Amino acid sequence: TQLLEQSPQFLSIQEGENLTVYCNSSSVFSSLQWYRQEPGEGPVLLVTVVTGGEVKKLKRLTFQFGDARKDSSLHITAAQPGDTGLYLCAGERYGANNLFFGTGTRLTVIP
Amino acid sequence: GAGVSQSPSNKVTEKGKDVELRCDPISGHTALYWYRQSLGQGLEFLIYFQGNSAPDKSGLPSDRFSAERTGGSVSTLTIQRTQQEDSAVYLCASSLNSGAAGELFFGEGSRLTVL
Repeated sequence: TQLLEQSPQFLSIQEGENLTVYCNSSSVFSSLQWYRQEPGEGPVLLVTVVTGGEVKKLKRLTFQFGDARKDSSLHITAAQPGDTGLYLCAGERYGANNLFFGTGTRLTVIP
Repeated sequence: GAGVSQSPSNKVTEKGKDVELRCDPISGHTALYWYRQSLGQGLEFLIYFQGNSAPDKSGLPSDRFSAERTGGSVSTLTIQRTQQEDSAVYLCASSLNSGAAGELFFGEGSRLTVL
């Protein structure tokens, strides 16, 4: 059983469309991170959110941490082919410094 | 380079053999993580080292898996009597870790194929 469930698992959209990826858990996290991974490489950090209800924007990407600190979302506006990749959320539980990763969302943006 | 280095990048072995995977973290990073990734899906936590503290081994799937970290730097993940279900990409990451998980810097992974 995965601690963090992501949805959708796969997403294929046309360039210019908007999309949202969800990361949900029954557990509470002290912080939550989002990573993006490209084929043959390790994941690379996009953002860290630490406060319940926090919203962070990174150009066309908007990240939100749920008020109860159990869930998060990633919204991409006007997707581009360069956004293609595997998106992973990762949560740190209180009292534990290790990170638990979500099930992943594979995004394909078609030109 | 100054990033996390893993070796070998690819390993093909026969069922029942032992394998060792190596991770050289970023210099000065006190935290080191091992994860397993199957079929490009999410990452499964295996083990976490933090400085000189006892490692968190709670993610190791069986007693065939073990890991050590010598001198607070290089780490080796050992899989004994490999099985076909062990086939996956094994990712190592390190972090500066000042009390929170912080940003993890990943290597490119070691792809293990058990025939």
